[in-house]
Amino acid sequence: RKEVEQDPGPFNVPEGATVAFNCTYSNSASQSFFWYRQDCRKEPKLLMSVYSSGNEDGRFTAQLNRASQYISLLIRDSKLSDSATYLCVVMNTGFQKLVFGTGTRLLVSP
Amino acid sequence: DTAVSQTPKYLVTQMGNDKSIKCEQNLGHDTMYWYKQDSKKFLKIMFSYNNKELIINETVPNRFSPKSPDKAHLNLHINSLELGDSAVYFCASSQDAGGTYEQYFGPGTRLTVT
Repeated sequence: RKEVEQDPGPFNVPEGATVAFNCTYSNSASQSFFWYRQDCRKEPKLLMSVYSSGNEDGRFTAQLNRASQYISLLIRDSKLSDSATYLCVVMNTGFQKLVFGTGTRLLVSP
Repeated sequence: DTAVSQTPKYLVTQMGNDKSIKCEQNLGHDTMYWYKQDSKKFLKIMFSYNNKELIINETVPNRFSPKSPDKAHLNLHINSLELGDSAVYFCASSQDAGGTYEQYFGPGTRLTVT
């Protein structure tokens, strides 16, 4: 079983739609959680950190459920520029070792 | 200014050759990493250095040897290249260990072994 599991998609949505991605992780000792975004043939970039209380950054909302070991990302009012692969990432105890999910691909169409 | 840079961007070579990839960061970070992203887009850490000291060494063949001459540079040397080494290799850096510091990735080096 992969340490971080994501639905690979693709999720095809029209502009303006709301879309949600989910992710589960297996290591209960994981201490920090992130969503990274990776555009085609580019490097991953941090989208947002995920906190237990939930956090929002503009159109993006991230939630963490430690009891269920579940992380989510909600994107409201999707834009064409949101088309990318979204990587669920956990950091385990120790030296900032990031463990990446395989990513969920989002395609936003006009 | 480029924060994390890698050279070369593309590398095409034959099986059995030895090659190096270089990485430099100008962010003043203490920790640097090498990741491998395979053909299925799975991104996995290989090595991490903190202040020139190796702190993460995942299960990677001995043919891969990282070297950190100073905390701004982390190079990756690969001996006796194999077909399965074909992938995109990303360098990354972050502030000191601990906390929830963002990792900044370089643009990647696309290695093709023929």
